[in-house]
Amino acid sequence: TQLLEQSPQFLSIQEGENLTVYCNSSSVFSSLQWYRQEPGEGPVLLVTVVTGGEVKKLKRLTFQFGDARKDSSLHITAAQPGDTGLYLCAGSPNFNKFYFGSGTKLNVKP
Amino acid sequence: EAQVTQNPRYLITVTGKKLTVTCSQNMNHEYMSWYRQDPGLGLRQIYYSMNVEVTDKGDVPEGYKVSRKEKRNFPLILESPSPNQTSLYFCASSPRPGREAFFGQGTRLTVV
Repeated sequence: TQLLEQSPQFLSIQEGENLTVYCNSSSVFSSLQWYRQEPGEGPVLLVTVVTGGEVKKLKRLTFQFGDARKDSSLHITAAQPGDTGLYLCAGSPNFNKFYFGSGTKLNVKP
Repeated sequence: EAQVTQNPRYLITVTGKKLTVTCSQNMNHEYMSWYRQDPGLGLRQIYYSMNVEVTDKGDVPEGYKVSRKEKRNFPLILESPSPNQTSLYFCASSPRPGREAFFGQGTRLTVV
């Protein structure tokens, strides 16, 4: 059982559609991060959310941290083929071990 | 340029032959860690280090060793590699535990 559960695992959509990826846990996190990974490369940080209820926007990407700091979501508006990749949430509930969700593989078709 | 450097990028080896994957960061980060990434299992932490001479087990430490003699370097050692250690490995560093991680480019290891 993973500490961070992500859903959906796979998402294949048409260009222009909207989508939401969820990251859930039974543990409280001081912060959660979202990363994007291209095949064969290391994950690259997109955003960090720190405060419960916080909403952060990065162009067409909107990130939300749950009020209880146990969950987060990533919403993409009007997806483009360049958004294709593996999206990962990650965090540390206790300031030592670091955990990743299993990831959401997004494919945006032109 | 701020970066985490791993070497080698690709490695094919035989069962039982000791190997070391090097990792170096130039950001003066305290926290460093190693992960393996396998299809369907995501990124799992092998070992982490809170600072020089301070290391601890992550979720999947069996078969691996690490050392942190200097702040910038955090090598991963496989004393006797086995085929189930075939995987994609990533080193990462963070300014402090639980904060944003900066990743190396990965090492694809195949043990035959």
